[in-house]
Amino acid sequence: DAEITQSPRHKITETGRQVTLACHQTWNHNNMFWYRQDLGHGLRLIHYSYGVHDTNKGEVSDGYSVSRSNTEDLPLTLESAASSQTSVYFCASSVGQNEQYFGPGTRLTVT
Amino acid sequence: AQKVTQAQTEISVVEKEDVTLDCVYETRDTTYYLFWYKQPPSGELVFLIRRNSFDEQNEISGRYSWNFQKSTSSFNFTITASQVVDSAVYFCALRILNTGRRALTFGSGTRLQVQP
Repeated sequence: DAEITQSPRHKITETGRQVTLACHQTWNHNNMFWYRQDLGHGLRLIHYSYGVHDTNKGEVSDGYSVSRSNTEDLPLTLESAASSQTSVYFCASSVGQNEQYFGPGTRLTVT
Repeated sequence: AQKVTQAQTEISVVEKEDVTLDCVYETRDTTYYLFWYKQPPSGELVFLIRRNSFDEQNEISGRYSWNFQKSTSSFNFTITASQVVDSAVYFCALRILNTGRRALTFGSGTRLQVQP
């Protein structure tokens, strides 16, 4: 069955380190998204991509970057992790106008 | 800019009670989709429904029903005869269609606790 996976599921890192969160989908969806979930804020958009080599900034993109070298993957990189980036990160994908399907999430703690 | 407000932070009911989760949205666009997602304690996000802005018909799916009213910019979600398994955080979300933006704008969520 097609799916969307994220790894790692849990990560603890230190302030200042570079961290990459992986997102892989097997639906062949052209649209992929990264959100972060924080209490009281719901999910907020970090970056998104509408296809290979296409990337765009969302509302809370500072300190994050993405790259899209193939259809299946959209890794999210924290260039220099900060405590404010402690959060749960969700990757999602969709095709056309259809609903987004979400990965299981990655819980990141920056100490 | 668009915005989704879920004013109810947390709701607690006893099993078999009916409960309505409110969602109010703001947008100047006339073409959009509204969504509801469920996040159970296990943490994943589960898609429940998508509603087109041109379709104001209410929808019922088993114990779930949705009331979409453009006049009040609301898209409320009712669970009839609630069950413990309905305990979750529920998110309402909005997607504008005519801007090319395919991402969702989420509300802050409503945590529903159904007590046995």
